[in-house]
Amino acid sequence: AQRVTQPEKLLSVFKGAPVELKCNYSYSGSPELFWYVQYSRQRLQLLLRHISRESIKGFTADLNKGETSFHLKKPFAQEEDSAMYYCALQRGGSQGNLIFGKGTKLSVKP
Amino acid sequence: GAGVSQTPSNKVTEKGKYVELRCDPISGHTALYWYRQSLGQGPEFLIYFQGTGAADDSGLPNDRFFAVRPEGSVSTLKIQRTERGDSAVYLCASSFSGADTQYFGPGTRLTVL
Repeated sequence: AQRVTQPEKLLSVFKGAPVELKCNYSYSGSPELFWYVQYSRQRLQLLLRHISRESIKGFTADLNKGETSFHLKKPFAQEEDSAMYYCALQRGGSQGNLIFGKGTKLSVKP
Repeated sequence: GAGVSQTPSNKVTEKGKYVELRCDPISGHTALYWYRQSLGQGPEFLIYFQGTGAADDSGLPNDRFFAVRPEGSVSTLKIQRTERGDSAVYLCASSFSGADTQYFGPGTRLTVL
């Protein structure tokens, strides 16, 4: 079965500290992986997708097929990074629905 | 341009009643998705439209749930005989095609008393 696991419900760091939000997936094929973010009182929005290999707002994520992971990283957290982060999987062929993890709430303290 | 819009933003109803939730996708987007998000969970897929037809409705929990997109634009999610367990935020998303980025609406918070 296809599944996305985000083991941490809450991650709290101080401003300027490195951040890593973990994401592991279960899928037999070659998935597309995404990170979505939801800031307070805003709608869910795409942060990055692995095929574009972009760095958005200083965040990067590398797909590790051997470990079936797609962890999100940022070297220096900012207070404005505080939000809910969801890892999501789309089945190979880039078609159809996303399968989301339960999300990790990132809190960046001053 | 305008993003995905959903109406109403909040809906309170009584157990057993019928509700309709509306989604207006981004103009020109052929793909439209409905998801449901319960408290403490990530969004869960309900149904996916490509144009007017449902390409995948495997996420609908039971036959009380139904969705339409008659003209390939606006979509309505219909829930019959609502139950307290249907209480959740219902999210709509659209994309230019099935392969493109999905843009989400603000959601409709449904509360079944």
